[in-house]
Amino acid sequence: EAQVTQNPRYLITVTGKKLTVTCSQNMNHEYMSWYRQDPGLGLRQIYYSMNVEVTDKGDVPEGYKVSRKEKRNFPLILESPSPNQTSLYFCASSPSIEGGKLFFGSGTQLSVL
Amino acid sequence: RKEVEQDPGPFNVPEGATVAFNCTYSNSASQSFFWYRQDCRKEPKLLMSVYSSGNEDGRFTAQLNRASQYISLLIRDSKLSDSATYLCVASPYSNYQLIWGAGTKLIIKP
Repeated sequence: EAQVTQNPRYLITVTGKKLTVTCSQNMNHEYMSWYRQDPGLGLRQIYYSMNVEVTDKGDVPEGYKVSRKEKRNFPLILESPSPNQTSLYFCASSPSIEGGKLFFGSGTQLSVL
Repeated sequence: RKEVEQDPGPFNVPEGATVAFNCTYSNSASQSFFWYRQDCRKEPKLLMSVYSSGNEDGRFTAQLNRASQYISLLIRDSKLSDSATYLCVASPYSNYQLIWGAGTKLIIKP
């Protein structure tokens, strides 16, 4: 089944404790992206990647890191999480030619205490 | 001013009715537009792309008005299962840097 898999689904952590949210897609998509969603705001792009070893900042990259060592995986790293990073996070992928036609993972609800 | 603005609603609509909502965008350079549907706290799913000529998919019709810089979504013969939040998306810079509206919540009542 074609899908984008995110883990974990829920995560509660404390300020400053490094964490990684994993994202994997099995559709051979070139493009992958991370978003955060907060109440009253639209999805905001954190980072995106056009292909392996190619990543770029989105609108809200501060406090996040990503890597794209393999085409299928695009982990999101919070080196020192803070409470303002409490949010619902989504990973998405797309075949490069399809642009805005995104396939999303099921989301990660992160709470930073 | 937000780059993509939507009325947050909720729109409370009886089953079988027709409902329409708009989304305005501020960047006239935007080339591509999309409507996504999101059920509560779940992942957004693409509903339809919005073309200059407008497009229709079953009970759903999307229109683009470049002069007034808005896109619209019309849902005919609404079903209970149409209850969701509808997200408007524009791409002013590239197809890979999308700008999302905060969504319009639709509640279909029996």
